[in-house]
Amino acid sequence: EAGVAQSPRYKIIEKRQSVAFWCNPISGHATLYWYQQILGQGPKLLIQFQNNGVVDDSQLPKDRFSAERLKGVDSTLKIQPAKLEDSAVYLCASSLGAFQETQYFGPGTRLLVL
Amino acid sequence: DQQVKQNSPSLSVQEGRISILNCDYTNSMFDYFLWYKKYPAEGPTFLISISSIKDKNEDGRFTVFLNKSAKHLSLHIVPSQPGDSAVYFCAALTGGSYIPTFGRGTSLIVHP
Repeated sequence: EAGVAQSPRYKIIEKRQSVAFWCNPISGHATLYWYQQILGQGPKLLIQFQNNGVVDDSQLPKDRFSAERLKGVDSTLKIQPAKLEDSAVYLCASSLGAFQETQYFGPGTRLLVL
Repeated sequence: DQQVKQNSPSLSVQEGRISILNCDYTNSMFDYFLWYKKYPAEGPTFLISISSIKDKNEDGRFTVFLNKSAKHLSLHIVPSQPGDSAVYFCAALTGGSYIPTFGRGTSLIVHP
């Protein structure tokens, strides 16, 4: 069974530029999560999708971050414009349903904002 | 305000010995706890979990203990192996949310 795929793996941009990350969850997983992990901290949830609907985006900085999951499968997370403090690893995870405690994580995208 | 705390950033253990990783939490509404393991350049992978109705859960070399009165859980790895060297995250859930709150992680190094 293929795991959660993410791309790109690494990205370096300058502040005020835009960046987008892509995630393909495990086949059949209805729930998709985006996390931000700043160096030295645990992952923090940004947004949770159930199929193509948003379940929780309370911690998403909506003035600069956006995410979509149009067909209920792949998802993209965008930052526009990026700030220095956005430097982090962005992890995508998926689970079978909204109430499945076990989430399966992708390898993450490491973003450096200069 | 950190609701899940892993106060030891790192732990070094000899191969074959026991590794004990600790986690404390402050939110009494947490009722499900998980441990994730993370290798460099990879995402976290689920290791073991425990419900608040239990005080122990075992899976091979890994055992998680929960002390609800102390709001404390620990992960025991016996015997430790060099391949166990990774960052271990403790995470907690409330039944209503199902979104885990993660600790900062503990980096375990197992020396041959």
